[in-house]
Amino acid sequence: DAGVIQSPRHEVTEMGQEVTLRCKPISGHDYLFWYRQTMMRGLELLIYFNNNVPIDDSGMPEDRFSAKMPNASFSTLKIQPSEPRDSAVYFCASRPSSSYNEQFFGPGTRLTVL
Amino acid sequence: GDSVTQMEGPVTLSEEAFLTINCTYTATGYPSLFWYVQYPGEGLQLLLKATKADDKGSNKGFEATYRKETTSFHLEKGSVQVSDSAVYFCALSALREGGKLIFGQGTELSVKP
Repeated sequence: DAGVIQSPRHEVTEMGQEVTLRCKPISGHDYLFWYRQTMMRGLELLIYFNNNVPIDDSGMPEDRFSAKMPNASFSTLKIQPSEPRDSAVYFCASRPSSSYNEQFFGPGTRLTVL
Repeated sequence: GDSVTQMEGPVTLSEEAFLTINCTYTATGYPSLFWYVQYPGEGLQLLLKATKADDKGSNKGFEATYRKETTSFHLEKGSVQVSDSAVYFCALSALREGGKLIFGQGTELSVKP
């Protein structure tokens, strides 16, 4: 079975450019989470969706960040314009509503903003 | 709010040594507790979990017991291997917030032959 799929795996861009990260959750999972991992702040939740609806975006750092989930099998995290401090690994995770007990993580996207 | 505190790393051990990584938490209610492992260049994998007080999670020789009285979930392994070298994250599931995970800062483990 396919796990959570993220693309791209690596992204290098220049400051000011738009960046779009993509995630395909596990089929049948109706919760989707976006996390960011940095050396300074560790792993932190940015936003999560339930049934394609954003429920809590309080972790989104600022208006430059936006996330969408147009359907149950696809989500995007967009940064516009990007800044060097956005450099991090971004993880997507999903879980079914029937269980709080495990989130399944994708391999992450390593973003470098020059 | 809910939080997780882990012992700081890096931790360096010789092969076959005993491992303990301390984890304590602060939470409203009775969250589920987890240990995730991240191998170099990879994503997060669930190592073990416990969903209620006194539960013991175990996997691949690692164990952790949910201690409500001390709000702890320490990770232990009796004999580490070089292949256990990774970063270990303790986490709790925030029940009132969609089950979002709140992570500790991570502990890097390096096992030398």
